[in-house]
Amino acid sequence: AQRVTQPEKLLSVFKGAPVELKCNYSYSGSPELFWYVQYSRQRLQLLLRHISRESIKGFTADLNKGETSFHLKKPFAQEEDSAMYYCALSGQHSGGYQKVTFGIGTKLQVIP
Amino acid sequence: SQTIHQWPATLVQPVGSPLSLECTVEGTSNPNLYWYRQAAGRGLQLLFYSVGIGQISSEVPQNLSASRPQDRQFILSSKKLLLSDSGFYLCAWSLGSSTDTQYFGPGTRLTVL
Repeated sequence: AQRVTQPEKLLSVFKGAPVELKCNYSYSGSPELFWYVQYSRQRLQLLLRHISRESIKGFTADLNKGETSFHLKKPFAQEEDSAMYYCALSGQHSGGYQKVTFGIGTKLQVIP
Repeated sequence: SQTIHQWPATLVQPVGSPLSLECTVEGTSNPNLYWYRQAAGRGLQLLFYSVGIGQISSEVPQNLSASRPQDRQFILSSKKLLLSDSGFYLCAWSLGSSTDTQYFGPGTRLTVL
């Protein structure tokens, strides 16, 4: 079975402070991991995926297979980063398809 | 460009009444389609998954069902709603396998009274 754990439901940081949103996963195979974001009154959308190895809006995430983690980081938080963040894992489903499992989400609140 | 629509945006229904939520995708062919329920403290729960017309996979046993009568249409239904069916329902699509990015609709807020 595949599982995604986001231990923090709410994370509050001051503007300019570093941000780290934690994500741990459980999966026996080789996973593909994503971070999705939902800003207030907007649709849920992809922020970044580990295979792209990119930085989006200053955010980066590194897949650590040893620790089974995919934490999302940003060195200096901005007020516009306040949103709900979901970590997601795509893995092989028993029916032969790829299945995406989402974490419960972490609400990031950046305090001015 | 591709777009995804859901309606209605908001729905209030009494317990025991039927449900039909609709999702349509434009600008792409043969997408994978998904229904999720988003609940506070529980994240996004995958309800149904479809790789083609008439092909539906159910992820959790529940009071709901899904159908895909056309390539770009995905319907979530219930014959008799329960209080526990209240929540925010999201439709999403992706190309190919679900390792591809998922694109989400605006969602439907369902309140069962």
